[in-house]
Amino acid sequence: QSVLTQPPSVSGAPGQRVTISCTGSSSNIGAGYDVHWYQQLPGTAPKLLIYGNSNRPSGVPDRFSGSKSGTSASLAISGLQAEDEADYYCQSYDSSLSGYVFGTGTKVTVL
Amino acid sequence: EVQLVESGGGLVQPGGSLRLSCAASGFTFSSYWMSWVRQAPGKGLEWVANIKQDGSEKYYVDSVKGRFTISRDNAKNSLYLQMNSLRAEDTAVYYCAREVGALWYYFDYWGQGTLVTVSS
Repeated sequence: QSVLTQPPSVSGAPGQRVTISCTGSSSNIGAGYDVHWYQQLPGTAPKLLIYGNSNRPSGVPDRFSGSKSGTSASLAISGLQAEDEADYYCQSYDSSLSGYVFGTGTKVTVL
Repeated sequence: EVQLVESGGGLVQPGGSLRLSCAASGFTFSSYWMSWVRQAPGKGLEWVANIKQDGSEKYYVDSVKGRFTISRDNAKNSLYLQMNSLRAEDTAVYYCAREVGALWYYFDYWGQGTLVTVSS
């Protein structure tokens, strides 16, 4: 039950900047719950990319940044590299569902 | 090094049962909430269930309530998911994940996943 909506795909040339939106509602992002982002490379488990809206775990390049405003959040990838080709998911908590929710997922393609 | 290793997946007929396990190492297992997250083939991520450090609180996504049971054995550093009355739509890779957070939680470590296929 994906209650967080993401664009199915985004693409960009190497070196470009791309952004991925994550749109929620008043029971999740809009209620003040933090948004977190995960990167899933083909055939592998998801990896934490951004936590607490805009924080990067150690080891994550500063090319990745996150933000949140109102009922939406965004992940930006600057200086796009071939290794960034992956699926990206946002995640938050939903008070109506009383559980964690993930976004629909976005596939990033490097042209 | 934090490690989470799932096992127990396989092929099961509709209506059947399966028990997944997740062996944890590299951290104090008893200090963390733990979750199961699944991913149907070619689909997105779906949180399934989680359990408090001492097992006193458990939460489930609506679609598995009454059919799945999450549990843990802190002495064995292990997390479990008992899945009963399995349906075709339960077919997915099941990941165990560690939860962390100050106020709102997220998943900082994931296992490699175990595939559950429900089919006749």
